[in-house]
Amino acid sequence: DAGVIQSPRHEVTEMGQEVTLRCKPISGHDYLFWYRQTMMRGLELLIYFNNNVPIDDSGMPEDRFSAKMPNASFSTLKIQPSEPRDSAVYFCASSLPPGRGNTEAFFGQGTRLTVV
Amino acid sequence: AQKITQTQPGMFVQEKEAVTLDCTYDTSDPSYGLFWYKQPSSGEMIFLIYQGSYDQQNATEGRYSLNFQKARKSANLVISASQLGDSAMYFCATSNAGGTSYGKLTFGQGTILTVHP
Repeated sequence: DAGVIQSPRHEVTEMGQEVTLRCKPISGHDYLFWYRQTMMRGLELLIYFNNNVPIDDSGMPEDRFSAKMPNASFSTLKIQPSEPRDSAVYFCASSLPPGRGNTEAFFGQGTRLTVV
Repeated sequence: AQKITQTQPGMFVQEKEAVTLDCTYDTSDPSYGLFWYKQPSSGEMIFLIYQGSYDQQNATEGRYSLNFQKARKSANLVISASQLGDSAMYFCATSNAGGTSYGKLTFGQGTILTVHP
């Protein structure tokens, strides 16, 4: 398996523009997670899905952020409108549930977002 | 709520020496997992080692071992025979299983490890 695939790897956009980050989880993984990494706040969970259903979105900072998982092999994180404080590295991760193989979450390479 | 504390912002070690990275955790969950991830300068997150809260023995994975002291709520990472490629940021994280995935992680602030030749 190629692992968790995120696109784009880098994104530079102007304030006010819509940004869409994409993620393809590892095939067969039931869980998908979106994390954000910043210098100030470290790594924080934004939202996660189980079998394509959002389970906990309490980490989503504002209504400007939304995430979807239309099928088991694709998820998006959208920011509309984007602001400079959204600049961060966004990671997607996927995992199996406990008791079904490896316990750890596998992370994608991340998308470095810069909002100017 | 869960919390991870990594008190060492930076650590230095000589190549081929062993180094211990500290991690303490706080959780009210009876069942939980403890993880260490490595983040090199290229940015990806690499899983290193896992310890379950009910595991009797300390976890080991090659040169990595986890010194798990449940009563002290500590889960220190020990890297033996350090290599230059070990220079990276290291994150300790915890997750409660509770029927959900161990991918729902709470991370510490990280420790930057620098290995000197």
